[in-house]
Amino acid sequence: QKEVEQNSGPLSVPEGAIASLNCTYSDRGSQSFFWYRQYSGKSPELIMSIYSNGDKEDGRFTAQLNKASQYVSLLIRDSQPSDSATYLCAVNDDDSWGKLQFGAGTQVVVTP
Amino acid sequence: DTGVSQNPRHKITKRGQNVTFRCDPISEHNRLYWYRQTLGQGPEFLTYFQNEAQLEKSRLLSDRFSAERPKGSFSTLEIQRTEQGDSAMYLCASSPSQSGTYNEQFFGPGTRLTVL
Repeated sequence: QKEVEQNSGPLSVPEGAIASLNCTYSDRGSQSFFWYRQYSGKSPELIMSIYSNGDKEDGRFTAQLNKASQYVSLLIRDSQPSDSATYLCAVNDDDSWGKLQFGAGTQVVVTP
Repeated sequence: DTGVSQNPRHKITKRGQNVTFRCDPISEHNRLYWYRQTLGQGPEFLTYFQNEAQLEKSRLLSDRFSAERPKGSFSTLEIQRTEQGDSAMYLCASSPSQSGTYNEQFFGPGTRLTVL
């Protein structure tokens, strides 16, 4: 059973602080990794993609990938109340290029 | 708006009825995916198409579910003889042709199904 694991939260973060979200995956052959943001009652929105070991930065978001440890993380710098959402980690299925395996998501709450 | 669109946005039906949902992908994307999401869970893969070909269908998917993409553009997902357990958000996503290791999928707004 291929799995993507995330802490469910909620992760409470003061406004202006850094939110750190973690994700582990079981499929060692996975090549593509994604972070989606999902507001309550809305659909997932792609915010970051990462394919190589190391860090990838986009604005206030940084994704970090360590394939040896089967670990991907997302940092949100200068957290804002508008960042309050559920963040979903998704991993491509090595056996199927079409399928993304999703974690259950981490709820982030940014407090003013 | 050039994003993925889905219709209807909400559907309430009685158990045993058939329902059909439509998805229009981003115009230049030839891959289209269907997922289902229940409260507190991440999206669960149902099926995907490349152009008009259905390339994979989840083994978890009941025979009551069928999807089509007859002309390689929009897609429909039909659920026959709905059950209360089918209540969920049905999400459609699209992506461009596979390029290297990339498979960025962009989601539509979803169709929320409630089976009474």
